[in-house]
Amino acid sequence: AQSVTQPDIHITVSEGASLELRCNYSYGATPYLFWYVQSPGQGLQLLLKYFSGDTLVQGIKGFEAEFKRSQSSFNLRKPSVHWSDAAEYFCALSQGAQKLVFGQGTRLTINP
Amino acid sequence: SAVISQKPSRDICQRGTSLTIQCQVDSQVTMMFWYRQQPGQSLTLIATANQGSEATYESGFVIDKFPISRPNLTFSTLTVSNMSPEDSSIYLCSVEEAPNTIYFGEGSWLTVV
Repeated sequence: AQSVTQPDIHITVSEGASLELRCNYSYGATPYLFWYVQSPGQGLQLLLKYFSGDTLVQGIKGFEAEFKRSQSSFNLRKPSVHWSDAAEYFCALSQGAQKLVFGQGTRLTINP
Repeated sequence: SAVISQKPSRDICQRGTSLTIQCQVDSQVTMMFWYRQQPGQSLTLIATANQGSEATYESGFVIDKFPISRPNLTFSTLTVSNMSPEDSSIYLCSVEEAPNTIYFGEGSWLTVV
């Protein structure tokens, strides 16, 4: 069965520092992969998605993610975080049937 | 992306009662989905709602507990029936706007006391 693992429950970084959030997936074929962000008290916002093609995808708010088939990973990166990036980040996959399978989420705290 | 509005945004309900959550989209969409996010947890799909057909429920969710309506291509409701404190969650409506791309509403934050 397909699954998504986000190994880091909570990450703290300083404002202006670089960020990498890890995501590993288990799926028999190449899945559709997504990163969503949930700010406090808000719904989910789509940051970026990967379907096929270029393995480095650009998203909104300066985020990017790299798909690595050999490592079954889809890590999210940002070169310099802002205090407003503090939120919960969810990695998700779908197998084309529109049903999303989510990881447990990574809570990002930003130190001033 | 489509604008997805949910009502109520928050509510506190008595156990044993039922609450209906509305989801309105500003464009016509074929597929709508309802997810649940329990406190401190990730999201789990409750059911898929297509206009003109019965909702399809995921394992662990039943129609008697979570009846869903989908009267047209822009609207859906989810009812949480006979609520208990374990139903305290965020309930999120979502739609497929572009192929295989799902967008979410702001969620309905439900507390059962």
